[in-house]
Amino acid sequence: DVKVTQSSRYLVKRTGEKVFLECVQDMDHENMFWYRQDPGLGLRLIYFSYDVKMKEKGDIPEGYSVSREKKERFSLILESASTNQTSMYLCASSLRSEAFFGQGTRLTVV
Amino acid sequence: DQQVKQNSPSLSVQEGRISILNCDYTNSMFDYFLWYKKYPAEGPTFLISISSIKDKNEDGRFTVFLNKSAKHLSLHIVPSQPGDSAVYFCAASARIYNQGGKLIFGQGTELSVKP
Repeated sequence: DVKVTQSSRYLVKRTGEKVFLECVQDMDHENMFWYRQDPGLGLRLIYFSYDVKMKEKGDIPEGYSVSREKKERFSLILESASTNQTSMYLCASSLRSEAFFGQGTRLTVV
Repeated sequence: DQQVKQNSPSLSVQEGRISILNCDYTNSMFDYFLWYKKYPAEGPTFLISISSIKDKNEDGRFTVFLNKSAKHLSLHIVPSQPGDSAVYFCAASARIYNQGGKLIFGQGTELSVKP
């Protein structure tokens, strides 16, 4: 069974903190993605990676960076958390077009 | 620039009736379309997809229709059940660009099926 696991379901961080969101997939997928979901805006792509150590900016990369040192792991980093980064963060992986999502991390920045 | 649009934020239908969710897109390079279902506090789950070479794909109670000339797709759920109540996202990809399966999502439509 397909599995994408995000390290935390809920996180509360302070403004200015460096935040790490971890995602692991067990399907040997080449592609991995980070989205954020906000009411009325749908899912917006932050970054994606199609291979180890490869990354591409999505539609809203500002304030974020990513790391993919191993095929199964894709990390999203908030360099200095701000309140406008309070959101639901969703990691996904895919082989071709059908993406499989993790359960999401609800991040609140106070 | 919203390339995939779901113009109805919400939809309410009676149990047993048909639910029709709509989606429009602007990028003519999109060649694969998907629908995802999302419950609160969970990640989206894949529902059904369609390639641009087809105009219809059916899976049980779910059917997706694609009208390429109108750049429009719709998801039909027949009959609707209370367990179908969720947010539905339309997504599109341009596989021809080989961008690693990058999906562009719409804003979502919240479906409520009333008993």
